[in-house]
Amino acid sequence: SYELTQPLSVSVALGQTARIPCGGNNIEYKSVHWYQQKPGQAPVLVIYRDDNRPSGIPERFSGSNSGNTATLTISRVQAGDEADYYCQVWDSSAGVFGTGTKVTVL
Amino acid sequence: QVQLQESGPGLVKPSGTLSLTCTVSGDSINTTNWWSWVRQPPGKGLEWIGEIYHTGSTNYNSSLKSRVTMSVDKSKSQFSLKLTSVTAADTAVYYCAREIVASGTYYFDYWGPGTLFTVSS
Repeated sequence: SYELTQPLSVSVALGQTARIPCGGNNIEYKSVHWYQQKPGQAPVLVIYRDDNRPSGIPERFSGSNSGNTATLTISRVQAGDEADYYCQVWDSSAGVFGTGTKVTVL
Repeated sequence: QVQLQESGPGLVKPSGTLSLTCTVSGDSINTTNWWSWVRQPPGKGLEWIGEIYHTGSTNYNSSLKSRVTMSVDKSKSQFSLKLTSVTAADTAVYYCAREIVASGTYYFDYWGPGTLFTVSS
């Protein structure tokens, strides 16, 4: 089965840029989606199909996908961006989530 | 505004059956969207359980397939999950979600708030 690997945690200073990688075999040939989850809340879609933002998601959130790594980038990080982030793809008629990354704002 | 709401017993004994229902409002269940269940054990990541279409077609996570059954009740705008032979490893927050189909991929744009299901004697 297809696997998505994310670092356990990423730390970023307030106002700086956070980059969250999501590794998978030839992931560039798949569409990658990203979710933000704050404690006690349901996940929220922040990027779909590699680099598209849903309505209401700030432009500070962007995505890219190349080779074996997809990346979620959060520019000008705010305290409210502190959360867990999950990548997701569809493979062989099944949903697959990444292992999740906790973003800490310093 | 699309809303999903999970409901069902929060506690089941080991070897019992989990039964959850998701009620959809603000959207018809009879659309081109699929409807999914996702779970999250305490302190852990997200796991996709399976999906159902309004026709009753289903796809399940291969690791749970032998224990999972999903169904849909269009008249009530609901879809349901049954998971049999539960163990402590099935203790998790269970979410229902709407799946968008686009260009050969699927993603989840609306989620229910989630419901904690505990397996304990």
